[in-house]
Amino acid sequence: QLQLHESGPGLVKPSETLSLTCTVSGGSIYTTTYYWGWVRQPPGQGLEWIGSIYYSGNTAYNPSLKGRLTMSVDKSKNQFSLKLTSVTAADTAIYYCARSLGSSGSQWCAFDPWGQGTLVTVFS
Amino acid sequence: QSALTQPPSASGSPGQSVTISCTGTSSDIGGYNFVSWYQQHPGRAPKLMIYDVNKRPSGVPDRFSGSKSGNTASLTVSGLQAEDEADYYCSSYAGSDRLVFGTGTKVTVL
Repeated sequence: QLQLHESGPGLVKPSETLSLTCTVSGGSIYTTTYYWGWVRQPPGQGLEWIGSIYYSGNTAYNPSLKGRLTMSVDKSKNQFSLKLTSVTAADTAIYYCARSLGSSGSQWCAFDPWGQGTLVTVFS
Repeated sequence: QSALTQPPSASGSPGQSVTISCTGTSSDIGGYNFVSWYQQHPGRAPKLMIYDVNKRPSGVPDRFSGSKSGNTASLTVSGLQAEDEADYYCSSYAGSDRLVFGTGTKVTVL
């Protein structure tokens, strides 16, 4: 059974870079079958799609984060990561990683399963 | 990229049905049959309940159904059960390799 687990610092200072890693177990990240995505949720608020990445490194980013966001895949560690630069308090959220349903047609647009999420607080 | 619009809350008694709407535009919901619905219990990660407007992943009860008309998608939960009390979010493809989520609806089982 595929499992995803987010990891990274729980506190980040304003203007610094937020770095998170999602470790995948129970399956290979290096597959043509799926996309891998990040979704965040500010405390008490709704979900926001951050971006998605294919095993080849092809990415799709939320336009509102473009310019600050970089996603990557590490085949050797079976992980994918995100880096968000110049963070502010508005970036405080629970960050989830997830796998898409598939890679063809509409299937990259739905996520299942998800990691448990990790809270990142931007705080000076 | 604006969030899709959902009512903040909805409710129903056990055994009844509740329908949640998700309104977008012709650039997202109206333009593609790529609508998904997620259920989220407090403190838990979201769970996929519906994809491609009306398809259920394996293991999701058939009490959950989805539909779409124009720029509005809907999720109906029939035969409400206590465990259906949760937040529900829609999402849609929005063109140009973008996804957008809805604002979320809290479903209360009375």
